[in-house]
Amino acid sequence: SAVISQKPSRDICQRGTSLTIQCQVDSQVTMMFWYRQQPGQSLTLIATANQGSEATYESGFVIDKFPISRPNLTFSTLTVSNMSPEDSSIYLCSVDGGGTNEQFFGPGTRLTVL
Amino acid sequence: GQQVMQIPQYQHVQEGEDFTTYCNSSTTLSNIQWYKQRPGGHPVFLIQLVKSGEVKKQKRLTFQFGEAKKNSSLHITATQTTDVGTYFCAGVPNAGGTSYGKLTFGQGTILTVHP
Repeated sequence: SAVISQKPSRDICQRGTSLTIQCQVDSQVTMMFWYRQQPGQSLTLIATANQGSEATYESGFVIDKFPISRPNLTFSTLTVSNMSPEDSSIYLCSVDGGGTNEQFFGPGTRLTVL
Repeated sequence: GQQVMQIPQYQHVQEGEDFTTYCNSSTTLSNIQWYKQRPGGHPVFLIQLVKSGEVKKQKRLTFQFGEAKKNSSLHITATQTTDVGTYFCAGVPNAGGTSYGKLTFGQGTILTVHP
């Protein structure tokens, strides 16, 4: 299994600002995923990030709002841009298990926008 | 797009009672996975079901995948306080290409166990 860390673990931000969340994996992985989970709710996939290509965004999520970088096989960032209180949520990255479809999740970043 | 419905949303049980959560997909799935999320934690993979009609057991947990590969269930026998958390099913669509690896999560069932 993969060990995943995320930074920051939590943050409180002012509306209109941007926050970049980092996701670091202890092994090389092909696919990385970014999810949003509002308190008490399910996980919603934001985008899939593959190294060397543009991220693929799900319906309702756009690159201008959630730019993603994937510079190598162990690291990715998600930026939440021009934040509003509606962006308050937990943001999780995950990686695939390498052919087994199971996903391993990072601990999450709890974001509060005032 | 694909939708995965999960019921019930909440379940409160006394320790020792059984618990079941049900998952239903709007489309046929390649496989279905189950995750557990403890309060304040992140989702942790429990199991993957791939074959039509498959049944798998992990100690007190029994997982089933329907014959049509559109529904699934998780049953816990004789719940314990350590079973507390949210149980999510997550479906992998049948198509490849851009759908590869993508999970669609159900709404989750929040399980509370009273000692």
